[in-house]
Amino acid sequence: GENVEQHPSTLSVQEGDSAVIKCTYSDSASNYFPWYKQELGKRPQLIIDIRSNVGEKKDQRIAVTLNKTAKHFSLHITETQPEDSAVYFCAARRGADGLTFGKGTHLIIQP
Amino acid sequence: NAGVTQTPKFRVLKTGQSMTLLCAQDMNHEYMYWYRQDPGMGLRLIHYSVGEGTTAKGEVPDGYNVSRLKKQNFLLGLESAAPSQTSVYFCASSLGLARSYEQYFGPGTRLTVT
Repeated sequence: GENVEQHPSTLSVQEGDSAVIKCTYSDSASNYFPWYKQELGKRPQLIIDIRSNVGEKKDQRIAVTLNKTAKHFSLHITETQPEDSAVYFCAARRGADGLTFGKGTHLIIQP
Repeated sequence: NAGVTQTPKFRVLKTGQSMTLLCAQDMNHEYMYWYRQDPGMGLRLIHYSVGEGTTAKGEVPDGYNVSRLKKQNFLLGLESAAPSQTSVYFCASSLGLARSYEQYFGPGTRLTVT
């Protein structure tokens, strides 16, 4: 089955700086890669996603890049703000199967 | 439009007891999923369904059963609860392959087995 590795497990950045979270996946048939933000006690919320036929996608301060050859994808958050503090999960999906999640990155924005 | 709802929100069970978690969606989605989330483990897929009357096993199906008798509902059953099943359970739904891959999550059910 699919295996998704996520790094780092904790990331602390100064407010206004950029944050990068990286994930690798094992199944070359995976074709959909979403990123979720989860605040304490809340449900995961989709923040951005990318399909395997696209190399990069951007939405305001958030961007995702995908390298199919290397089987890795990354989340980039620019101009970080206190409300960006949360746990972020990457995931991969193959066809109709459910998502395989990474173990999460706790992002801490230092004022 | 309530989206995805889950019942109950919290539950405490004794080892060996049984229970059913209900997931309901009002978005006419074809696909539905059950995940569990444990500290430091991310979310793991238990079972899923690609349409009414169909179910399939996910990554961690042992100890759980599911049913999808109606398109809008997906039930997760624990026949004999064990402490290892203490977790937060999330249901999700999506339109279906080729139309939209995005999964919408319910608010979660926090289950404790003593």
